[in-house]
Amino acid sequence: QVQLVESGGGVGQPGGSLRLSCAASGFTFSSHGMHWFRQAPGKGLEWLTFIRSDGSYRYADSVKGRFTISRDNSKNTLYLQMNSLGPEDTAVYYCAQDCGLGGSRDFWGQGTLVTVSS
Amino acid sequence: DIVMTQSPDSLAVSLGEGVTINCRSSQSLFYAANSKNYLAWFQQKAGQPPKLLIYWASVRESGVPDRFSGSGSGTDFTLTITSLQAEDVASYYCQQYYTSDRTFGQGTKVEIK
Repeated sequence: QVQLVESGGGVGQPGGSLRLSCAASGFTFSSHGMHWFRQAPGKGLEWLTFIRSDGSYRYADSVKGRFTISRDNSKNTLYLQMNSLGPEDTAVYYCAQDCGLGGSRDFWGQGTLVTVSS
Repeated sequence: DIVMTQSPDSLAVSLGEGVTINCRSSQSLFYAANSKNYLAWFQQKAGQPPKLLIYWASVRESGVPDRFSGSGSGTDFTLTITSLQAEDVASYYCQQYYTSDRTFGQGTKVEIK
């Protein structure tokens, strides 16, 4: 079955960087698009970025120019490089498998917490 | 981007009573090629990740109690809980997955009266 395990969360400095990873198993990773979402404390769910199987990508305005999504199909791993961190980036970050039009539903991981604090 | 608008923002209902949450999208979520609506409902309890309840607008995820049901098509959707249980206290979110830029409703907080 589909399994997605996020890691790399922790405390990041304001203005600093963190890289999150999402280890995928149970499906052909290279054939699927992948997403990152987040949820700040007490707030709703927010889509951040998407990478297609061909490596093309899209970003939400809130992270464009600061965050970079990438994938390593040889390692079945998705990444989120987060730069210029601010307090507003404090959140639980989730990766998800894209089902695509024609598929039934996305699959989500359990999340990793990022706290931006000095 | 597709804008998702949920209502109400919160509600308090007695145990055993019904709950209705509405969700409207700014454009149709109906995919004609397979006649499916790309609308999902999530439940999120305090301190937990979101849990998928409903996909394709009306298909219950495996293991979800049958008191939860989804309906609607195109741009207007509804999540119904037929008889609220204590364990249903949570926030509920609709999400469109018709476009790669996923978007969510703002959430509805359900409490016990």
